[in-house]
Amino acid sequence: QQQVKQSPQSLIVQKGGISIINCAYENTAFDYFPWYQQFPGKGPALLIAIRPDVSEKKEGRFTISFNKSAKQFSLHIMDSQPGDSATYFCAAAKTSGSRLTFGEGTQLTVNP
Amino acid sequence: NAGVMQNPRHLVRRRGQEARLRCSPMKGHSHVYWYRQLPEEGLKFMVYLQKENIIDESGMPKERFSAEFPKEGPSILRIQQVVRGDSAAYFCASSPAQGRNQPQHFGDGTRLSIL
Repeated sequence: QQQVKQSPQSLIVQKGGISIINCAYENTAFDYFPWYQQFPGKGPALLIAIRPDVSEKKEGRFTISFNKSAKQFSLHIMDSQPGDSATYFCAAAKTSGSRLTFGEGTQLTVNP
Repeated sequence: NAGVMQNPRHLVRRRGQEARLRCSPMKGHSHVYWYRQLPEEGLKFMVYLQKENIIDESGMPKERFSAEFPKEGPSILRIQQVVRGDSAAYFCASSPAQGRNQPQHFGDGTRLSIL
């Protein structure tokens, strides 16, 4: 079964710190790796996505690092803010238009 | 999440009843995906539809669940004879087409509670 494993399950960071969430996948056919942010009572919102032909992508305070040989990718949130407190999901797909396989989620709390 | 509309936002059903969940994709989007999120878990793919076609239903339970996306109107996820285990948040996502640059945008979900 295709799986994406995500860690940690929960994370507490101080304001201004760096939040790091890791994911590992099994299926080498995956070629699209998005990260979603979800607030309570809301649907997932696309944050940033990467393809395996690049090792890093940065958008504002959010950076994805991708290690194709290790089949791992991670989300780094720089200068974490209390407003970043949410659940973060990594996902993978064969193409951006096909089914997404999600990780289990990381509940991030940023303390003021 | 603006654009993908799901209704109702909350739905309460008794065991054995039917639940109908609706999803209107973003304007210009012809691809719809349904996912289910159990409490404290990630989202699990259920079904992928285009207008009048089911493309991938590999995540759908074999019984009681069905989905459609008619030529006109919203996509419908139908659950017959609901059981307690069907209690979950059901999310719909849409994309304009399949392909490398077509991310999925999610609605805010329907929270289904079975009494």
